[in-house]
Amino acid sequence: GAGVSQTPSNKVTEKGKYVELRCDPISGHTALYWYRQSLGQGPEFLIYFQGTGAADDSGLPNDRFFAVRPEGSVSTLKIQRTERGDSAVYLCASSSTPTDTQYFGPGTRLTVL
Amino acid sequence: AQSVTQLGSHVSVSEGALVLLRCNYSSSVPPYLFWYVQYPNQGLQLLLKYTSAATLVKGINGFEAEFKKSETSFHLTKPSAHMSDAAEYFCAVSVLNAGGTSYGKLTFGQGTILTVHP
Repeated sequence: GAGVSQTPSNKVTEKGKYVELRCDPISGHTALYWYRQSLGQGPEFLIYFQGTGAADDSGLPNDRFFAVRPEGSVSTLKIQRTERGDSAVYLCASSSTPTDTQYFGPGTRLTVL
Repeated sequence: AQSVTQLGSHVSVSEGALVLLRCNYSSSVPPYLFWYVQYPNQGLQLLLKYTSAATLVKGINGFEAEFKKSETSFHLTKPSAHMSDAAEYFCAVSVLNAGGTSYGKLTFGQGTILTVHP
């Protein structure tokens, strides 16, 4: 079946702009995760959804970052007033249950000029 | 809080040689442990995972890892490297949340780039 998909694959924006990154999880997966991977680093956790609600948002770096999952499937990560330090690959993962293996999408590469 | 340390950001081996990628973890509670592989311009792919059953875990592509609680290690090995094994490898840990309902977030190491020479 289809894996986790993320759009766009690449996003270039200017400092101060607003961006939205989309994640389509594997069908039927109730748990969804966002991670951020900076150059030369391992992925860092941002937020975890169980269904429609954010079960753990402890990794969001500040209030410029926000994520939603209104119908319990697709999720959107929103970044306001982007900064150059936000440049990274944003990864989405989903799992069938909260204790199951996480399957990752290909990521969205965000570049803030 | 849990953490992961991968010793060696770059490992280089000859084709046919043993692959050993080191991972040590820190956790105050029993962890789940994972190895993921990332090929260039691709997403993370699960190689194998330890979930408190057998301490020797076999994964895809001939890789295996052994959970050693006394050493807090979960090193990844493969007896004979292949050119196609060249990639970046990440060790990760997760623990059960306070409510006992989920393993939630993964905490990753910095990654080890494996180069395989002909």
